[in-house]
Amino acid sequence: DAGVIQSPRHEVTEMGQEVTLRCKPISGHDYLFWYRQTMMRGLELLIYFNNNVPIDDSGMPEDRFSAKMPNASFSTLKIQPSEPRDSAVYFCASSPQKLAGYNEQFFGPGTRLTVL
Amino acid sequence: SQQGEEDPQALSIQEGENATMNCSYKTSINNLQWYRQNSGRGLVHLILIRSNEREKHSGRLRVTLDTSKKSSSLLITASRAADTASYFCATDPLGGADKLIFGTGTRLQVFP
Repeated sequence: DAGVIQSPRHEVTEMGQEVTLRCKPISGHDYLFWYRQTMMRGLELLIYFNNNVPIDDSGMPEDRFSAKMPNASFSTLKIQPSEPRDSAVYFCASSPQKLAGYNEQFFGPGTRLTVL
Repeated sequence: SQQGEEDPQALSIQEGENATMNCSYKTSINNLQWYRQNSGRGLVHLILIRSNEREKHSGRLRVTLDTSKKSSSLLITASRAADTASYFCATDPLGGADKLIFGTGTRLQVFP
């Protein structure tokens, strides 16, 4: 099993540009989560999906952020336009359907985004 | 706001010593989980303890849970340099709709 796959691993862009981050969850997992991690704010949940449907996007900081999950094997997080304060490491995680109280999450390697 | 708060924020020990990290949370939970994050990597699940459990072991890891105090501890025995990482607790709140709330993390440095 390849685990959760994210691309790109590193992204450097200029303020105002559109950024698209991609995620492929583990096959068979029903949940997909997008997180952002910074030194100042720690690990923040941005949005999560269940069976491709967005369930909670209350963590999405602004309208500049959007996320989609067109099918069970692919999700994108888009920032348009990007700003320097968006610089962070963005993680995607997936989780199988909760059974008997077990809902561990499997994280991808992350995308380090730098907005100049 | 984050539910889990860990202490200490940072911990430095020598190889062979034990490392203890604590996590406090605010609301009732289904379970509590611990994750490890090596520098530049994603988080890796270590262990899960359910709300009706008080202690759980996995190799050199020992986790305790006190729901009356809303706290948990992670003990790593006989630490190794490879244990150097950040450790996060994550809670699955009752009625929390399947999302986890992560704590602020403890940075552990194990010196050889």
